Formats: sequence, structure tokens, C-alpha cells
Amino acid sequence: NAGVTQTPKFQVLKTGQSMTLQCAQDMNHNSMYWYRQDPGMGLRLIYYSASEGTTDKGEVPNGYNVSRLNKREFSLRLESAAPSQTSVYFCASDPRTGNRQWANTIYFGEGSWLTVV
Amino acid sequence: QKEVEQDPGPLSVPEGAIVSLNCTYSNSAFQYFMWYRQYSRKGPELLMYTYSSGNKEDGRFTAQVDKSSKYISLFIRDSQPSDSATYLCAMSALSNNNDMRFGAGTRLTVKP
Repeated sequence: NAGVTQTPKFQVLKTGQSMTLQCAQDMNHNSMYWYRQDPGMGLRLIYYSASEGTTDKGEVPNGYNVSRLNKREFSLRLESAAPSQTSVYFCASDPRTGNRQWANTIYFGEGSWLTVV
Repeated sequence: QKEVEQDPGPLSVPEGAIVSLNCTYSNSAFQYFMWYRQYSRKGPELLMYTYSSGNKEDGRFTAQVDKSSKYISLFIRDSQPSDSATYLCAMSALSNNNDMRFGAGTRLTVKP
């Protein structure tokens, strides 16, 4: 019973390097999300995908790109990492198909700790 | 000013105490209100949710929403050491329910 799986769990990058965070869910959910969590800031939405083939910007999209590869997978890419992107990244999913629906079953992965030096 | 304000604590209480956790918000469009629990080095898990104003009870947990004051609360009765975690409030508007806005989280410790 995997739920939402994120890889890698820990990563250290040098400024300017690129990397991709992978996320996969096995619950046949339509909507998937990427959040970052910083001390004193709570969780902030980076990008979301309401369905396969669609992506939308959240509150803090600058410096990131996403790909909804298929219904199961939603990746987050840092093209040129900066120290300000040091954070804990969470992927999440829920069964909604539109932004005006309500879901009471939102599942988060266990997080990816990223440090940019 | 942040859209959602939450006292980060930390909050330490003895086992059996009643805990009150609170958030205030500024966006009057928020209609859905949620509380998440997050254990150390884990992802958040949805604890309770409410729509618009009112109360909702689930076991030892009660969520309250006062839209007129833009204030939400989570009460934990008979608190247990297993309740020790960070509690995050979150909220979203009907127009874009995918975009949840979170508080910074309150770290709670329940001492045996």
C-alpha cells in the first residue's frame, strides 16, 4: 500500500545544478501537487495538475518546471538550483477532476529534503 | 501580512489537557477549512475539514470556523502523548479549491 512515493528522499546540489524530483501515486487520483515547506512559512503550492496533460502555477512557481508524465506520475524540475530553493518538498494527490470540487482525501508523500549549497 | 496566520508555538501541555489551536486569515473568499497533523519527518495527514462556518466533531477533535471573525480553531480533548506533532491549518476558496493556503504550523508536545 504505497500511496504517494517521492524520490529521492535526500539530495544535496551545488548552485546552478539541475535535478528532477519524482512523484508517483498508485491510487488512481486525478489531481497531483507539489509543495515546498520552509520554517515559519508553512506549505506553499508550487504547481499542480488537475488532470493528466494539464498543469497550473501555484503560489511560488518561479524557478521550477513540472511534467505530468501520465496519470500516476508528476515530476518537479529545478533547472538551475539556487540556495533559496533549499527546502522540504512534498508531493500530494487527491481524486478531484476540477478546481471547484472538494476532496476530503488528500494524501501527501513523505517529503524530499533538498539542500542547495 | 500573510494570508493565513498561525502561532508557531511551541505548545507543551500535560497528558489529559484540552488543547486549543488557532488560525486567522485575511481572504474572505476562503470557504473550505482543514486541519492537518504532521509528525516529525513525515508528510501532513488530513485530520479534519469543514465547509463555511460552524463546528465539526470527530472523537476527541473539534473544529470550529467563525467566518465573521476570520478565525478557525481546533480543540483536542483528553490530549495524549501520541498527539504530539505539528498541526497545520489550511484553507481554500471555492473558485480555486486546488490552491490551498497553509498556516506555518503549531508544534504541540503532550507530556505523559
